[in-house]
Amino acid sequence: EAEVAQSPRYKITEKSQAVAFWCDPISGHATLYWYRQILGQGPELLVQFQDESVVDDSQLPKDRFSAERLKGVDSTLKIQPAELGDSAMYLCASSLGQGGLPYEQYFGPGTRLTVT
Amino acid sequence: GDSVTQMEGPVTLSEEAFLTINCTYTATGYPSLFWYVQYPGEGLQLLLKATKADDKGSNKGFEATYRKETTSFHLEKGSVQVSDSAVYFCALSDRTSGGYNKLIFGAGTRLAVHP
Repeated sequence: EAEVAQSPRYKITEKSQAVAFWCDPISGHATLYWYRQILGQGPELLVQFQDESVVDDSQLPKDRFSAERLKGVDSTLKIQPAELGDSAMYLCASSLGQGGLPYEQYFGPGTRLTVT
Repeated sequence: GDSVTQMEGPVTLSEEAFLTINCTYTATGYPSLFWYVQYPGEGLQLLLKATKADDKGSNKGFEATYRKETTSFHLEKGSVQVSDSAVYFCALSDRTSGGYNKLIFGAGTRLAVHP
């Protein structure tokens, strides 16, 4: 069964350092999502890609966060510099979705980030 | 903006007990509604969904009915098992300004089932 892959699974970094997360969606899925899940809360969308284009990054803290999906396949989310409040689970999801159709989103296992 | 409210956990039940997890939503349009489950150390998995009023979603013994009149989508299961212990998230699909769908999640409800 096809799955969304994420790496690393766990990351510990010091405040002010740079950190990057990688996601490989299910093959053929045009839409890719990055979510942040703070402990005890539900996931919150950070950025959404349709193929290689960003279609929603309204909740992405653009002063320190960046995301790219250069060839419309895998994606990288970067934080520079990391702050203590960035400690959270970062989830990647993908879907077949085109435009406004609510296709099911498939989630990866997540990357748990701890900033010390 | 649109939002989802779930009952606070943890919910602790004995095996074979009846489960209800309440979920209500606020939305300006007609969203699709979802329940996702997250087992320890794993990502979220879609449990069930409903796309219009009065639809009933069901899977693995769980079910939920889209109630437009009460803006609710409560999750139920007649007889829980220890293996159902997880965190359950209610979510709705929302339309972004660009016309794309995104999910808005509730805070999650932790379920612990004891033998």
